[in-house]
Amino acid sequence: AQKITQTQPGMFVQEKEAVTLDCTYDTSDPSYGLFWYKQPSSGEMIFLIYQGSYDQQNATEGRYSLNFQKARKSANLVISASQLGDSAMYFCAMRVHNTNAGKSTFGDGTTLTVKP
Amino acid sequence: DVKVTQSSRYLVKRTGEKVFLECVQDMDHENMFWYRQDPGLGLRLIYFSYDVKMKEKGDIPEGYSVSREKKERFSLILESASTNQTSMYLCASSSHKIARTTNEKLFFGSGTQLSVL
Repeated sequence: AQKITQTQPGMFVQEKEAVTLDCTYDTSDPSYGLFWYKQPSSGEMIFLIYQGSYDQQNATEGRYSLNFQKARKSANLVISASQLGDSAMYFCAMRVHNTNAGKSTFGDGTTLTVKP
Repeated sequence: DVKVTQSSRYLVKRTGEKVFLECVQDMDHENMFWYRQDPGLGLRLIYFSYDVKMKEKGDIPEGYSVSREKKERFSLILESASTNQTSMYLCASSSHKIARTTNEKLFFGSGTQLSVL
């Protein structure tokens, strides 16, 4: 079975500073993908960034980067230069290669609040 | 603009009522999912479908059923709503007939906050 753990229920960051949201995962499958999604107060989950288990380099998408440490089974999201609009709930998720129809496992989420 | 549309943003129902939550996607995606989101529990998969008229149970299917008569539409049915089904319900879709790859992201609707009184 797959499991995602997000240990930070809530985080605060000052505007323009960087913040790291933690995610650890557990799977015995060697082929998997890790995702981060953002859920603003409007409710719609938005895809942010993806990292494959065989990717050699850490994924980056604009201000988002994924600090992938395979041996430690961690996939932390780093947001640089935080903006007020980054205030939202963030979910880490995983899909393994043999999962039928792309079934994903999600963590409990981290609520990020950006202070002006 | 690609979209997953859920028919209601807020819904209030009474215990014992039959409840239909509708979800439509315009991306011609094969796979569709219903998740339930509760504070401290993250997202839990209720049911998913990878083709028309096909359905598979997720992690918490009890008390729910689904229907997929057309590719673009996936309905979640609460046969007899109970108070412990008060929750946020999220519909999602993804492409590929059987997603054996790992990089297929999910597209979500805005969610339906269901309250059962």
